[in-house]
Amino acid sequence: DAKTTQPPSMDCAEGRAANLPCNHSTISGNEYVYWYRQIHSQGPQYIIHGLKNNETNEMASLIITEDRKSSTLILPHATLRDTAVYYCIVRDSGYALNFGKGTSLLVTP
Amino acid sequence: DTGVSQNPRHKITKRGQNVTFRCDPISEHNRLYWYRQTLGQGPEFLTYFQNEAQLEKSRLLSDRFSAERPKGSFSTLEIQRTEQGDSAMYLCASSPAATIYGYTFGSGTRLTVV
Repeated sequence: DAKTTQPPSMDCAEGRAANLPCNHSTISGNEYVYWYRQIHSQGPQYIIHGLKNNETNEMASLIITEDRKSSTLILPHATLRDTAVYYCIVRDSGYALNFGKGTSLLVTP
Repeated sequence: DTGVSQNPRHKITKRGQNVTFRCDPISEHNRLYWYRQTLGQGPEFLTYFQNEAQLEKSRLLSDRFSAERPKGSFSTLEIQRTEQGDSAMYLCASSPAATIYGYTFGSGTRLTVV
């Protein structure tokens, strides 16, 4: 699976959009981009995934660049409960997720 | 609640003792995964079951570790002769077969070896 690069930490004001970047320049054609988050002392939670097109669900939006070498997770109106570590993962149909260290997002009042 | 259930939530054991953790996946999920997470790191893959068959084991899973999933339902992870380096959060996840969708994780078992 391709390797991802994320900033170690980010801040966001409550109510504003949180835009979390991820670089995956070695992604191959059959690999999906997944985002999970982990709130302190809980297990990871699946957020969203995509292959080529932008995706949106009730939790977030995923924007994937045309060359697929990077993506951005958007939390449109961040709340204090969105404070968590966010993991960007690239994988094909395989079963193992390579989490890396993720981005620690702090949402402030 | 139909989520993934892990027990116990916390376990403190003395070095050299054996410990066993249990994971109850979502009932209709036939894939089950174990991960380990140490402080400040992301979860690391340990092993994977499809139904009762253990199909892959990470090199992180030393011979002191064994996992089972009898009858393809719940799973147990046993660590024999625990060492301080085994202190970590042990996470279980499940998914339907051949899915591109996300996995559902449990809340984990926190192991402390003293």
